[in-house]
Amino acid sequence: EAGVAQSPRYKIIEKRQSVAFWCNPISGHATLYWYQQILGQGPKLLIQFQNNGVVDDSQLPKDRFSAERLKGVDSTLKIQPAKLEDSAVYLCASSRDRAREQYFGPGTRLTVT
Amino acid sequence: GENVEQHPSTLSVQEGDSAVIKCTYSDSASNYFPWYKQELGKRPQLIIDIRSNVGEKKDQRIAVTLNKTAKHFSLHITETQPEDSAVYFCAAFGTSYDKVIFGPGTSLSVIP
Repeated sequence: EAGVAQSPRYKIIEKRQSVAFWCNPISGHATLYWYQQILGQGPKLLIQFQNNGVVDDSQLPKDRFSAERLKGVDSTLKIQPAKLEDSAVYLCASSRDRAREQYFGPGTRLTVT
Repeated sequence: GENVEQHPSTLSVQEGDSAVIKCTYSDSASNYFPWYKQELGKRPQLIIDIRSNVGEKKDQRIAVTLNKTAKHFSLHITETQPEDSAVYFCAAFGTSYDKVIFGPGTSLSVIP
């Protein structure tokens, strides 16, 4: 089966600009996760979807970050406006259901200058 | 808030020796504990996981043990090989599987 797809793979923007990341999970996977991984740290969960509903977004900086999962398939994560501290790798993962094996995408490396 | 601690942060072993990484979690309702391996510049990959109703699980050279009373779980790698060199992350899934917290990672180096 095809893996989790993410785009773009790399993005460089200036602070205060906007950026959007796209994720296509494995077909049939109900649960989708967005993580932020800062260099040298573990992934931090930003938001978790179950089908097209949000089950946890407690660590999402909602004043600047937003995410949606239309029709319970693809998902988009947006940052507006970006700050220097948003520089990180943004990982998307999916699983058949909650608390099942997660399959990670290749990630998007964001650099904010 | 909920937290997962992981020790040691770096670990260096000789090829063929064993490596042990320990994680401690704070949410007593956590019920699913996966371990991930992440090579430099690559995505995390699941290597083994354990649920709260099991005390130990083994897969070839890799094993995980869980102590619910003490709220800690450990990764054991036996007969280490150079290709085991990577960063290892533990994670804990909390109440109703909604909370997912990763540990800070352990950088393992296996010296040939």
